[in-house]
Amino acid sequence: GENVEQHPSTLSVQEGDSAVIKCTYSDSASNYFPWYKQELGKRPQLIIDIRSNVGEKKDQRIAVTLNKTAKHFSLHITETQPEDSAVYFCAAQNQGAQKLVFGQGTRLTINP
Amino acid sequence: DAGVIQSPRHEVTEMGQEVTLRCKPISGHNSLFWYRQTMMRGLELLIYFNNNVPIDDSGMPEDRFSAKMPNASFSTLKIQPSEPRDSAVYFCASSLWETQYFGPGTRLLVL
Repeated sequence: GENVEQHPSTLSVQEGDSAVIKCTYSDSASNYFPWYKQELGKRPQLIIDIRSNVGEKKDQRIAVTLNKTAKHFSLHITETQPEDSAVYFCAAQNQGAQKLVFGQGTRLTINP
Repeated sequence: DAGVIQSPRHEVTEMGQEVTLRCKPISGHNSLFWYRQTMMRGLELLIYFNNNVPIDDSGMPEDRFSAKMPNASFSTLKIQPSEPRDSAVYFCASSLWETQYFGPGTRLLVL
């Protein structure tokens, strides 16, 4: 089955700097890759997603890149702000299987 | 749209007791997922339903766990008997296509 590895497990950056979180997946049939943000005590919320027919997608300060050949995808947050502090999860889905497989999460801390 | 609704939001019970968690998916969604989240194991899929039918329950830890979806608007996750190691946050999520929307979760503590 699918396996998703996420790195780093913790990340601390200065406010205004960029943050990058990387994930690799094992199933070449996976074709949908969402990223979720989970604030302390809250539910995971989708912030951006990408499908396998696209190499990059951007939404304001957030971007995701996908390399299907290498089977990895990354989340990029630019101009980080204190409210970006949270745990971020990547996930992969094989459309045929319908279920998401999550990475272990990255705890991002933005230092003022 | 009210989003995914879960109840109770918090549950404290004693070992050996039966626990029932409830979920109402977003209206019109045809897939429902139950997850468990702990610090040690992260976010784990327990079971999911498509059109009220269980599709994959390979994540259900053992026979003490059971889930039902009697109709498109309601699902339950039951633990009987509960054990301290079941303490976790249990999330329900629903989807129509790929995007899953999570409920607020039920924080379960088994003493």
